[in-house]
Amino acid sequence: LAKTTQPISMDSYEGQEVNITCSHNNIATNDYITWYQQFPSQGPRFIIQGYKTKVTNEVASLFIPADRKSSTLSLPRVSLSDTAVYYCLVGDAGSSASKIIFGSGTRLSIRP
Amino acid sequence: EAGVTQSPTHLIKTRGQQATLRCSPISGHTSVYWYQQALGLGLQFLLWYDEGEERNRGNFPPRFSGRQFPNYSSELNVNALELEDSALYLCASSRTGANVLTFGAGSRLTVL
Repeated sequence: LAKTTQPISMDSYEGQEVNITCSHNNIATNDYITWYQQFPSQGPRFIIQGYKTKVTNEVASLFIPADRKSSTLSLPRVSLSDTAVYYCLVGDAGSSASKIIFGSGTRLSIRP
Repeated sequence: EAGVTQSPTHLIKTRGQQATLRCSPISGHTSVYWYQQALGLGLQFLLWYDEGEERNRGNFPPRFSGRQFPNYSSELNVNALELEDSALYLCASSRTGANVLTFGAGSRLTVL
């Protein structure tokens, strides 16, 4: 099982771009990288998933270098409502989610 | 489309009692996952059900059990409750084999 390492916490201000980097040195060939967002007392919410290069949706962008040993979640122009815990996960898209480990995540705090 | 629904929202029990938590997956999803999240911590994988069968289980004692019904809804039972079982219990669903999960809002279990 690929293990991920991400910062425990980050602080930023409204209107800034926030980049959260995740390390996954042991990522396997079939593994995808997935990010979730969790607000207090709620279940995590899927944000974005990618395999290589760059993926963008209406919420965020995901940058994955050629060696895939790390990835960066980019949140453009954050607001107070982006304060949450962000989880980086790595796993084979063809296997069950039961093999994917949720770490402690990155606690992002946005200030006015 | 209705999301993953969990009940009850909150549950208070005393040590030694039993708790039953329920989950209804998104229509078309056949896999249901249960996670435990103690206060301030990450998600710990509990159980995975697919097509009515238990497919995988996390590192939890046998007093944590569950089942999946023919309509794919699921039930988590915790017997002989202990104080450390106090946590947010999250249910998630997916299509079989997919590793992108949709979570419910969770059931907060408090053991006194």
